[in-house]
Amino acid sequence: DAGVTQTPRHEVAEKGQTIILKCEPVSGHNDLFWYRQTKIQGLELLSYFRSKSLMEDGGAFKDRFKAEMLNSSFSTLKIQPTEPKDSAVYLCASRTGAQNTLYFGAGTRLSVL
Amino acid sequence: GDSVTQKEGLVTLTEGLPVMLNCTYQTIYSNAFLFWYVHYLNESPRLLLKSSTDNKRTEHQGFHATLHKSSSSFHLQKSSAQLSDSALYYCALRSSNTNKVVFGTGTRLQVLP
Repeated sequence: DAGVTQTPRHEVAEKGQTIILKCEPVSGHNDLFWYRQTKIQGLELLSYFRSKSLMEDGGAFKDRFKAEMLNSSFSTLKIQPTEPKDSAVYLCASRTGAQNTLYFGAGTRLSVL
Repeated sequence: GDSVTQKEGLVTLTEGLPVMLNCTYQTIYSNAFLFWYVHYLNESPRLLLKSSTDNKRTEHQGFHATLHKSSSSFHLQKSSAQLSDSALYYCALRSSNTNKVVFGTGTRLQVLP
C-alpha cells in the first residue's frame, strides 16, 4: 500500500509569493492533518479534516494559511502571502478514524527568502 | 485547550545508560489517548507506542511508557540506550471529544558512544 505522499519535497519562495503544497493520504483513510514542524515549536497543528470536512483550522494560522480537501484522496495547503518566518517543514498525516495511529508523509521543506 | 509539555529540548547520554524522556499533558477530558512518535533523520515520523489505559505499561521496540492520569504524565523510558536511538521524540495527545492530535515541542535524544 502507498503511504502518504507529499509534493514537492522542497520549495523555495520569495517573500510575498503564493505557494501550494500537496498531499495524498493513505487510501481509505478518513482523517487528514497538516502540521508545521520547527525546532522551537515542534509540531503545530494547521488543519484537520474528517471525511473532507474541516474540523480544525489551526487558530493562529487562519489568516495566511488555507487547507482544502478537494476529494478524499487529495489535499492542498496554500500559504498566501509567504513570509520568511514560514520557513519550516510542512507535514501531512492521515489515519482511519478508529485506528488512532497517524501515518506521516516525508514532508515539504519550505524556504522563504 | 489541550496541550502537551516536553520540557527537555535535548537529552544527551552515553550508550548503555537508561533513557527517560518526560511528557505531561493537559486536558479537561478523562479519556485521553497518549502517543509517542519518533522521527529519525531523513525519514517520516512514525508511531512508537500509545496508550489510553491508566497505570498500564505499554512496550514496543525496547521502549516503554505508562500513562498516569493522576499526574497527567506519559514518560518514555528505555533501560539501555543504543546509538540507533538517536532521533527526535514527540509526545502527543488525542482528545476524545475533538479527535485532533496535538504534539509537544519534541525532545531530541542524542546517544554518544
